[in-house]
Amino acid sequence: GAVVSQHPSRVICKSGTSVKIECRSLDFQATTMFWYRQFPKKSLMLMATSNEGSKATYEQGVEKDKFLINHASLTLSTLTVTSAHPEDSSFYICSAALLAGDGEQYFGPGTRLTVT
Amino acid sequence: GEDVEQSLFLSVREGDSSVINCTYTDSSSTYLYWYKQEPGAGLQLLTYIFSNMDMKQDQRLTVLLNKKDKHLSLRIADTQTGDSAIYFCAEEAGATNKLIFGTGTLLAVQP
Repeated sequence: GAVVSQHPSRVICKSGTSVKIECRSLDFQATTMFWYRQFPKKSLMLMATSNEGSKATYEQGVEKDKFLINHASLTLSTLTVTSAHPEDSSFYICSAALLAGDGEQYFGPGTRLTVT
Repeated sequence: GEDVEQSLFLSVREGDSSVINCTYTDSSSTYLYWYKQEPGAGLQLLTYIFSNMDMKQDQRLTVLLNKKDKHLSLRIADTQTGDSAIYFCAEEAGATNKLIFGTGTLLAVQP
């Protein structure tokens, strides 16, 4: 149980375009979803925390207008990278928490974004 | 501030034990976690320990927690080539459910 999927797994886009990444909890309802970014040979950096039906809470230094997060339902959160640039190329990973305050997060398989 | 440190690389021979170390700074962390990441994949939760424990064993995995020194370790007994991956420790930041990840340790298992 507790499976999280991401789509697409890989995406290549041109500079200036926008890309949407979906994160779905397949067999449970996620109160909270998290979006992380992983640079090559670096740790995961938390970008934002989203709760269903409310605005996402962004970490310091993360541009809200560039990384749009929508958490429209208890099973789906989306991250849209707007006006993507090559420096946005990265591995984006989402996770979902079953219950508010429950420590365990279930991670998606990640999305490799390459901006040319 | 919140900062979690790990050594970057560990190489062991197949069959030996591996010990991956982690230091953290947030003394209020309730849970501490170990995750495994294989190339190009997401994270797999390996094990976790509650902050009022000092040891937890789960098959080949042993987690040791020294809360006084804010030091966490993961021991993998009888390391196999399939254990080759990046291992991340993570602390839960207060009551926010946020995870603060360590820098990751690349474990290379030599046959």
